[in-house]
Amino acid sequence: DSGVTQTPKHLITATGQRVTLRCSPRSGDLSVYWYQQSLDQGLQFLIQYYNGEERAKGNILERFSAQQFPDLHSELNLSSLELGDSALYFCASSVGERSYNEQFFGPGTRLTVL
Amino acid sequence: GENVEQHPSTLSVQEGDSAVIKCTYSDSASNYFPWYKQELGKGPQLIIDIRSNVGEKKDQRIAVTLNKTAKHFSLHITETQPEDSAVYFCAASMAHGNNRLAFGKGNQVVVIP
Repeated sequence: DSGVTQTPKHLITATGQRVTLRCSPRSGDLSVYWYQQSLDQGLQFLIQYYNGEERAKGNILERFSAQQFPDLHSELNLSSLELGDSALYFCASSVGERSYNEQFFGPGTRLTVL
Repeated sequence: GENVEQHPSTLSVQEGDSAVIKCTYSDSASNYFPWYKQELGKGPQLIIDIRSNVGEKKDQRIAVTLNKTAKHFSLHITETQPEDSAVYFCAASMAHGNNRLAFGKGNQVVVIP
């Protein structure tokens, strides 16, 4: 158990809908990262927050947004969902904001868009 | 940006043999190279990492080597066991002003008992 929790574990929804994925980092970790994992693309970095502020942005679509709250938990919002958004979404946390800080991954949320 | 490639995509080895996975990266300014292991139904977990000022690092049956000139690094697993069966991801730090990692697409390692 990495200490990172993600909810829900599974999510099934329809195209055009909006969903919210939630992540609670390890106790003491200030950085939260979101990744998308699909079969053919591996782990794609979406966005990073550190202590409530956005720190880095990757291949995140405009339909997706995220935030980190004062208690350090984070939410990833996915809207106007398309079939291609079906994937595993991982949250990771680390104590610092640097790439060399070990990232601890949560168990993931499997999103299925029908 | 950084581009990380892994080879081979799938690797099958007999239990007790060694497994080697290679990764290449494009950004010569990258200075941190972790390896993550992902078991079925779980998130990736860091197993070993190396920084650019070191050529090799070992932790029990796992070792990583780095060739900065050629811009490639490799994961070596010796005396493989069935529990080594998993997907392995290499990653490289992205330089030039951000703090993120670029991941390869992963290698499926299957250890045959």
